[in-house]
Amino acid sequence: ETGVTQTPRHLVMGMTNKKSLKCEQHLGHNAMYWYKQSAKKPLELMFVYSLEERVENNSVPSRFSPECPNSSHLFLHLHTLQPEDSALYLCASSHQRSLVGYTFGSGTRLTVV
Amino acid sequence: GESVGLHLPTLSVQEGDNSIINCAYSNSASDYFIWYKQESGKGPQFIIDIRSNMDKRQGQRVTVLLNKTVKHLSLQIAATQPGDSAVYFCAESEGNTPLVFGKGTRLSVIA
Repeated sequence: ETGVTQTPRHLVMGMTNKKSLKCEQHLGHNAMYWYKQSAKKPLELMFVYSLEERVENNSVPSRFSPECPNSSHLFLHLHTLQPEDSALYLCASSHQRSLVGYTFGSGTRLTVV
Repeated sequence: GESVGLHLPTLSVQEGDNSIINCAYSNSASDYFIWYKQESGKGPQFIIDIRSNMDKRQGQRVTVLLNKTVKHLSLQIAATQPGDSAVYFCAESEGNTPLVFGKGTRLSVIA
């Protein structure tokens, strides 16, 4: 375990469903990130939260809605997704002002049917 | 925007040989570089990092080389083992901006 826990590990949802991905870290980090990993593509940054404020939204469609209630928890709320949204969704955390890289969770494998 | 990329998508090496994974970056202002390893079913794991004021850094069986003149980063793995089989990503950052990742190189170790 890396200290960053993501649930669920796998999720299959229909295009009309609403679901949420959860990320939790107890590393004392104050920045959290959502990345999307698709086959044969680089990791794509989706959202960045620093001190519980969203500091970056990388042109992500509104069907993805992040929430950061405190510095240890991060959610990604999903609704009316498309099949092309199927991917591995990775959460990471870091000390925001540290030059040390991020700690990643194991990801949620999402399949939209 | 500028991006980080990898020269080769796959690399096969014999067990016991040394591996070299390459990465080209295009943002000359990047000042922090990092290598991650991702095994099947897991998230990326930190291997080694380097700041732009250095050109070489060594870890346990791994060495990262940074050539700022040609904007090239490499990861060397000594005495490659089957457990080293994974996808390796380089990433770069300028200042406190979020990491930008390359596509990844799949390393396969032949026993």
